[in-house]
Amino acid sequence: QVQLVQSGSELKKPGASVKVSCKASGYIFTDYAMNWVRQAPGQGLEWMGWINTNTGNPMYAQGFTGRFVFSLDTSVSTAYLQISSLKAEDTAVYYCARGAEGYSYIYFDYWGQGTLVTVSS
Amino acid sequence: QSALTQPASVSGSPGQSITISCTGTSSDVGGYKYVSWYQQLPGKAPKLMIYDVSNRPSGVSNRFSGSESGNTASLTISGLQAEDEADYYCSSYTSSRKTVFGGGTKLTVL
Repeated sequence: QVQLVQSGSELKKPGASVKVSCKASGYIFTDYAMNWVRQAPGQGLEWMGWINTNTGNPMYAQGFTGRFVFSLDTSVSTAYLQISSLKAEDTAVYYCARGAEGYSYIYFDYWGQGTLVTVSS
Repeated sequence: QSALTQPASVSGSPGQSITISCTGTSSDVGGYKYVSWYQQLPGKAPKLMIYDVSNRPSGVSNRFSGSESGNTASLTISGLQAEDEADYYCSSYTSSRKTVFGGGTKLTVL
């Protein structure tokens, strides 16, 4: 069965960096795109962008350029989200979500359990 | 890209039907048949309930249905059950080749 398992919660100080992992299993990793979605505490979902798992080419949504980097390690079927120069407003749950077949960054059929990143001094 | 507009909350009694609206523009909801709906139970990851405006993924109850008119999409839940209490989000493909979510609607089953 398809599973996306994310790394555990992180507590970081402002200015630090964090790298969240998303390990996929139960399907061919490079056959489906991987998306990232942010949810701030008590807020709605925000699509951050996606990465083509075949080419490694990332695409970032408005507001997620510069400090946010999507990457892959296809040898271990894992996608990564790195955020640098962390700010308090980056505090959120970050989800990885698989793009449905034929709909790379439009529909998300499987989701990770979410990783809470807390930025606090 | 602005978020799609959803009502903050809706409520209904068991057995009733409710409808959640999702209003966008001709650059997203009204321009493409790529609207989806997600259910998010408390403390859980979202779950895809509807795609392509009105299609249900395998395993999703037929009590959930979707439709669209102009720049507004709608999710209808019939035969409301206590387990349907959750947050619901719409999303749409946009003309800038991105995806945008709605602000979310909290469904309360009375």
